[in-house]
Amino acid sequence: GENVEQHPSTLSVQEGDSAVIKCTYSDSASNYFPWYKQELGKRPQLIIDIRSNVGEKKDQRIAVTLNKTAKHFSLHITETQPEDSAVYFCAASIPAAGNKLTFGGGTRVLVKP
Amino acid sequence: SAVISQKPSRDICQRGTSLTIQCQVDSQVTMMFWYRQQPGQSLTLIATANQGSEATYESGFVIDKFPISRPNLTFSTLTVSNMSPEDSSIYLCSVEGGTDTQYFGPGTRLTVL
Repeated sequence: GENVEQHPSTLSVQEGDSAVIKCTYSDSASNYFPWYKQELGKRPQLIIDIRSNVGEKKDQRIAVTLNKTAKHFSLHITETQPEDSAVYFCAASIPAAGNKLTFGGGTRVLVKP
Repeated sequence: SAVISQKPSRDICQRGTSLTIQCQVDSQVTMMFWYRQQPGQSLTLIATANQGSEATYESGFVIDKFPISRPNLTFSTLTVSNMSPEDSSIYLCSVEGGTDTQYFGPGTRLTVL
């Protein structure tokens, strides 16, 4: 089955700096890659996703890149703010095969003011 | 996106007992899923709740331990049976909201003593 690895497990950045989280996946058939943000005690919230026919996607301060050949994808947060502090999870799935999400281990991001 | 609710939001149970968690969606959805998030960990898919047929369980999860019902397109239940302290986790349902995206319910925080 699919295996998703995520790095780093913790990330501390100064407010205004950029944060980058990297994930690798094992199943080359995976073609949908969402990112979730989970604040303490809250549900995971979808923040951005990318499909395998796209190499990069941006939404304001958030961007995701995908390298299908290398089987890795990354989340980039620019101009970080204290409210970006949370745990971020990457995931991979094959929508045509039941869309079962396999999650990475998570990255705890702390933005220091 | 769909509005998803779960009941109960939290519970403390004695070992050997069972708890049924409900997931309600405000619109009809084809795909519903149940995930487990152990303390400080990532999310793991338990099963896909299929409407009108048995749930599809992931490796490591069995129907006797986690029976699931899906009587219609807006509702599902997950039962955690014969609980032990190792079952202490957050249990989350998710629904597919179209275009492959999954949205999560608020979760049920279960503590087993």
